[in-house]
Amino acid sequence: ETGVTQTPRHLVMGMTNKKSLKCEQHLGHNAMYWYKQSAKKPLELMFVYSLEERVENNSVPSRFSPECPNSSHLFLHLHTLQPEDSALYLCASSLGQGYNSPLHFGNGTRLTVT
Amino acid sequence: RKEVEQDPGPFNVPEGATVAFNCTYSNSASQSFFWYRQDCRKEPKLLMSVYSSGNEDGRFTAQLNRASQYISLLIRDSKLSDSATYLCVVTYRNTGNQFYFGTGTSLTVIP
Repeated sequence: ETGVTQTPRHLVMGMTNKKSLKCEQHLGHNAMYWYKQSAKKPLELMFVYSLEERVENNSVPSRFSPECPNSSHLFLHLHTLQPEDSALYLCASSLGQGYNSPLHFGNGTRLTVT
Repeated sequence: RKEVEQDPGPFNVPEGATVAFNCTYSNSASQSFFWYRQDCRKEPKLLMSVYSSGNEDGRFTAQLNRASQYISLLIRDSKLSDSATYLCVVTYRNTGNQFYFGTGTSLTVIP
């Protein structure tokens, strides 16, 4: 399924680096999400955008900075990360509130912070 | 109190067995219900939505009990390829675009 595409698939970065994760959805959805999944832990919601407006910021440290330039694209800018930030970062999209429609996930970016 | 709770398992069942998972949710203002499947180190994938009257997709049957606030997933004639983690997901009318995930139930189907 290529409805939600994430790049890169794998990323290794040092604690002083700056990198960005990219997500693109081709489903015509109105809402986009960033989730974090650490090893053997449940999904943690990080950010939600609805119609390009941030509607949820789930107490995420400022070293993670989201950007949603339009309803099809979502970025997660990373800087001065810590080793405990190593995880699978998942982008997802949905039609939005009131549609009773499910989330569609991208393949994820597996991030390792050294 | 967690919004969505699942028995983490693991469930280890032989091929051909029938296995059922339950998931309870805490908010009566529930709106939509889904089961997702997640393979190791992969993204969650939608298995099926759960409708009020219950629904079936091949070997999979999902049911909703609003009075008791739980949903269930029944897998018949288990296959080795059914081995995965099954995630219960709920949305609520009063929380906008948020999806609430359970911690997942691990299933291993044994030859």
